[in-house]
Amino acid sequence: KNEVEQSPQNLTAQEGEFITINCSYSVGISALHWLQQHPGGGIVSLFMLSSGKKKHGRLIATINIQEKHSSLHITASHPRDSAVYICAANYGGSQGNLIFGKGTKLSVKP
Amino acid sequence: EPEVTQTPSHQVTQMGQEVILRCVPISNHLYFYWYRQILGQKVEFLVSFYNNEISEKSEIFDDQFSVERPDGSNFTLKIRSTKLEDSAMYFCASIETVLSGNTIYFGEGSWLTVV
Repeated sequence: KNEVEQSPQNLTAQEGEFITINCSYSVGISALHWLQQHPGGGIVSLFMLSSGKKKHGRLIATINIQEKHSSLHITASHPRDSAVYICAANYGGSQGNLIFGKGTKLSVKP
Repeated sequence: EPEVTQTPSHQVTQMGQEVILRCVPISNHLYFYWYRQILGQKVEFLVSFYNNEISEKSEIFDDQFSVERPDGSNFTLKIRSTKLEDSAMYFCASIETVLSGNTIYFGEGSWLTVV
């Protein structure tokens, strides 16, 4: 069964800390997405990856196809980064046909 | 920044009633999606829609659900004979094309409470 597992489930950090959120998935994905869900519920797409690494501002996403693992890193974390970060995998089919992880709730303290 | 808009933001309905959730995708987008998130649980894919027809649907998307694009701009999710377990946040999303690298744009969601 195609699954997406995330860790940790909850993460508390001090402002300025480097943060890593991990995601593992089953074999055979065509793309992996990192999403941010705001406290109000809205979802924003951060990255879509099929290989290698992508960077946007203080966010970095990496994927290791052989190990079926992806990480989301946040450098110099800030309280406004507090949100739920969700990993989601496309196992084929339409790009939006995704299997979602349970999310990692990040809280960054000032 | 383009956005996907959803209405209503919150709806309370009696069990057994029909509900229509509305979405306005980004204007030049071609692929449309609905997802569901039950409170405290993960987001689940419901259905994808392209070229005025369903292209894929999950096991959740049974005969109780239907989607349509009635007027070329709105994209609706209809839930017939609602049950308590249909209470959830429903997200609409759209993508311009399915070429590699295209961003999925999500709406802010519609909270459905069935009482």
